[in-house]
Amino acid sequence: DGGITQSPKYLFRKEGQNVTLSCEQNLNHDAMYWYRQDPGQGLRLIYYSQIVNDFQKGDIAEGYSVSREKKESFPLTVTSAQKNPTAFYLCATRRRTNLFFGPGTRLTVL
Amino acid sequence: GQQLNQSPQSMFIQEGEDVSMNCTSSSIFNTWLWYKQDPGEGPVLLIALYKAGELTSNGRLTAQFGITRKDSFLNISASIPSDVGIYFCAGDAGGTSYGKLTFGQGTILTVHP
Repeated sequence: DGGITQSPKYLFRKEGQNVTLSCEQNLNHDAMYWYRQDPGQGLRLIYYSQIVNDFQKGDIAEGYSVSREKKESFPLTVTSAQKNPTAFYLCATRRRTNLFFGPGTRLTVL
Repeated sequence: GQQLNQSPQSMFIQEGEDVSMNCTSSSIFNTWLWYKQDPGEGPVLLIALYKAGELTSNGRLTAQFGITRKDSFLNISASIPSDVGIYFCAGDAGGTSYGKLTFGQGTILTVHP
């Protein structure tokens, strides 16, 4: 059945290590997004991609990188340059102006 | 950048009560969306509004797109325990910002049986 998958659900990393979060979709949507969620705050846009092989920085892109080699996949790398990486990360796809979210990955940096 | 002010930040209600929450903005939006997020999960779209003045229902939920295009509200009637969660409003300003939603801070809803 159609949807968005994010893996893993929980991820633990040591400080200073890069980590890549997976996002896969079979909804055939062109646009994909990465949001970060911290307790008590709304969702903040990290990166987005309107089409394969193209992506744009969002509001908080520093310390993150992405790639969009396939329509179905939009992985997010959290680099060691990200000062406070512990958060809940949400991937989304878009149809018209509506965003559809995956189940999220909770990243904890120890 | 654009900001959405969502209120209240949290609500504690008894089962069966009605709930109302709203979002306001200093700038105009072309689309208003309302999402619900269960703990540890991604937000799920509840209602989408595309036209100023539009009033849309989805079961016990009703949402309206404000006439000024700078606000929206969500009402939940006869609340039940499974309504617990975080409710987010989101707006799309269109133009060069098309597809880049701006989110409110969320309203945490607790329903006591």
